[in-house]
Amino acid sequence: AQKVTQAQTEISVVEKEDVTLDCVYETRDTTYYLFWYKQPPSGELVFLIRRNSFDEQNEISGRYSWNFQKSTSSFNFTITASQVVDSAVYFCALSDEKKSSGDKLTFGTGTRLAVRP
Amino acid sequence: SAVISQKPSRDICQRGTSLTIQCQVDSQVTMMFWYRQQPGQSLTLIATANQGSEATYESGFVIDKFPISRPNLTFSTLTVSNMSPEDSSIYLCSVGLGQGLDEQFFGPGTRLTVL
Repeated sequence: AQKVTQAQTEISVVEKEDVTLDCVYETRDTTYYLFWYKQPPSGELVFLIRRNSFDEQNEISGRYSWNFQKSTSSFNFTITASQVVDSAVYFCALSDEKKSSGDKLTFGTGTRLAVRP
Repeated sequence: SAVISQKPSRDICQRGTSLTIQCQVDSQVTMMFWYRQQPGQSLTLIATANQGSEATYESGFVIDKFPISRPNLTFSTLTVSNMSPEDSSIYLCSVGLGQGLDEQFFGPGTRLTVL
């Protein structure tokens, strides 16, 4: 069975600090996809990134960066120079290509990030 | 990308009643999904809705409680039947584009409170 663990329930940082959100996953499959979503206080889910299991290159997008390490089954997310607008709940999710019923996502429990001015 | 709208955005309902949530997409999509997010919790998949066939429900969710319709490739409804306070949640629909595992896009959610 698939499982996603986000051990950090809540993180509080001061603006301009860097912060890393951890994500550890479990799957028996060799082909899978990992996602990060942001859920601001308004409630909508905002897609941030998708990474497939064959691409271990780290990715950077502005102040966001992702570190994918298959050896440790981790897909960590770093926000550099955090801003108040980054305050949200961040979800890591996993999808298995072999699922016959489609692109189901298994979500972690989320990490609530609070950025204080 | 896809633009997804949901109606209603929020509702307060009485115990024992039913509520139908609508999900509209601005393009034709093969897969539509319904998720539940209980207060302070993560998202849990309720069912996968395919056009022209019965919805596929996840463990713990049944058709009698959460009937789903998918009349065409741009629309779906989820009904929460015989509601109890435990059904108070945010209900989100999402769509997957294409045949592969592209990013799933989520609707804005329907915030349901059952008294």
